[in-house]
Amino acid sequence: EPEVTQTPSHQVTQMGQEVILRCVPISNHLYFYWYRQILGQKVEFLVSFYNNEISEKSEIFDDQFSVERPDGSNFTLKIRSTKLEDSAMYFCASNYMSTGELFFGEGSRLTVL
Amino acid sequence: EDQVTQSPEALRLQEGESSSLNCSYTVSGLRGLFWYRQDPGKGPEFLFTLYSAGEEKEKERLKATLTKKESFLHITAPKPEDSATYLCAVKGANAGKSTFGDGTTLTVKP
Repeated sequence: EPEVTQTPSHQVTQMGQEVILRCVPISNHLYFYWYRQILGQKVEFLVSFYNNEISEKSEIFDDQFSVERPDGSNFTLKIRSTKLEDSAMYFCASNYMSTGELFFGEGSRLTVL
Repeated sequence: EDQVTQSPEALRLQEGESSSLNCSYTVSGLRGLFWYRQDPGKGPEFLFTLYSAGEEKEKERLKATLTKKESFLHITAPKPEDSATYLCAVKGANAGKSTFGDGTTLTVKP
């Protein structure tokens, strides 16, 4: 069964460092998303991406964040200068239609020290 | 702004003891209400989509229902392996994003 894969599963970084989280969405999906979940809190939307551009972003997704689809399979989230409050589980998701259910990866846990 | 409120926050059941989880929502033009299951340290796993009031979906011991203001996830004769956090999410007419509730953490004791 096709699945969304994410790397790394866990990353520890120092405050101020750049981090890149990688995702391989399901191959025939057209819409790609990043969500995050701070420990013990709800799943929060960060950004959606379609046709090689951002289609929607939340207030959380400020200038420190960027997304890219560098080739036909990868979808990346970059945090330019990490802050302590960026510590969270970051989930990549994809779907074929924007109105459809989301298929999530297993997540990348980011710890900022 | 779309809003989702789930109750209770936590639910402890004995194996075989049926119950229901609630999801209340406000959304501008519902495009879909989704139920997901999330195990600790894992990504949410899709369970059901409901699109209009009166709709029902079933899968094994789970049944989801929808009204104009809320959705219920009914769990019949639960087993310990049903222990997880159950998330409700909505997608509105003007948003590509899904808005999630805080979830209900279900624990089923043998």
